Amino acid sequence: RKEVEQDPGPFNVPEGATVAFNCTYSNSASQSFFWYRQDCRKEPKLLMSVYSSGNEDGRFTAQLNRASQYISLLIRDSKLSDSATYLCVVNKGTGFQKLVFGTGTRLLVSP
Amino acid sequence: DAGITQSPRHKVTETGTPVTLRCHQTENHRYMYWYRQDPGHGLRLIHYSYGVKDTDKGEVSDGYSVSRSKTEDFLLTLESATSSQTSVYFCAISDPDRGSEAPQHFGDGTRLSIL
Repeated sequence: RKEVEQDPGPFNVPEGATVAFNCTYSNSASQSFFWYRQDCRKEPKLLMSVYSSGNEDGRFTAQLNRASQYISLLIRDSKLSDSATYLCVVNKGTGFQKLVFGTGTRLLVSP
Repeated sequence: DAGITQSPRHKVTETGTPVTLRCHQTENHRYMYWYRQDPGHGLRLIHYSYGVKDTDKGEVSDGYSVSRSKTEDFLLTLESATSSQTSVYFCAISDPDRGSEAPQHFGDGTRLSIL
């Protein structure tokens, strides 16, 4: 079993739709959590950190459920520019970061 | 964007040749990392550094070595490249003063093909 698992997709949605991705992780001692975005043939870029209380950044909402060991990302009012691969990332280290990356969920937003 | 420069951006070389990839940062961050990204796998950590001359192995370190003689530069060397090392290599940096909450920021990547 992979340490971080994501549905690879692709998720095909029209502009304006709401879409949600889930991610599960296996290490219950994981310390911190992130969503990264990666465009085709580009580097991963931090989208948002995920906090225990849940957090929102504009159209993006991240949730963490430690009991069930899953993380979610909700995107509202999808834009064409949201088309990318979304990486779920878990830090299982303390002090020094030991990031474990999911393989990503691909999102395609169409006109 | 974080000031991270990777060089070269693309390289094609032959099996058995040595290859060195360079990561240069202008952020003065103490922590630096080398990852590889392959289809079907998430990014996997090759080596990391927590300061000048302080490095350690990641999960896929076999066949790779690193050096860090200055805060701003982290070199990844393939002593004798093999076709299985064909991949996209990313360098990343993070600020340890922010602890485990600190995100990592990535360079543009190096596409390496070993023929």
